[in-house]
Amino acid sequence: DTAVSQTPKYLVTQMGNDKSIKCEQNLGHDTMYWYKQDSKKFLKIMFSYNNKELIINETVPNRFSPKSPDKAHLNLHINSLELGDSAVYFCASSQARSGAQYFGPGTRLTVT
Amino acid sequence: AQKITQTQPGMFVQEKEAVTLDCTYDTSDPSYGLFWYKQPSSGEMIFLIYQGSYDQQNATEGRYSLNFQKARKSANLVISASQLGDSAMYFCAMRGLGSGNTGKLIFGQGTTLQVKP
Repeated sequence: DTAVSQTPKYLVTQMGNDKSIKCEQNLGHDTMYWYKQDSKKFLKIMFSYNNKELIINETVPNRFSPKSPDKAHLNLHINSLELGDSAVYFCASSQARSGAQYFGPGTRLTVT
Repeated sequence: AQKITQTQPGMFVQEKEAVTLDCTYDTSDPSYGLFWYKQPSSGEMIFLIYQGSYDQQNATEGRYSLNFQKARKSANLVISASQLGDSAMYFCAMRGLGSGNTGKLIFGQGTTLQVKP
């Protein structure tokens, strides 16, 4: 059973389009996160939700909008995609904010 | 502000030997956690080991151990008996544990480990 899953795994799209990435965890965790890994492999937090409540919103363009319909799901919607949005996006989850974070397989987004 | 530094962009180790990956950190939080993750070429992020700042013992998980030196602010990962499958990128990360902590992980730049047969 996959603990943290993301769809799609690969996403190729053109500039200006709107796209979504979905994340689901079956670990029973109450906190979920989105991280971005750039071309130099640097990982940075974007958002975090605890029990469907937004608790972290790092300096991310408002074209990025997370949505958490329930504590097992955290989706990421991106409007008006730009070339610089090309990256790998990881979803993660943890039990409370102190537990180890378990990552999904990542979504490689390529904007052309 | 929190910061993680991994000074070794790349490392080589002979199969079956031990290797140490360096990690130093800086934080003003009195209570924090330190993590190591492995990212193989397939891209997933695999949690390896955790050390709490108030833990008395160094953490161990199978062939992984964390050499935690609080005064030096270092949290080096030691992999014993290296295997070819250990070839990957390794990330050190930390998070504050005090009240008001948001849970976000701060990552280092990563170290690429290659295990030679």
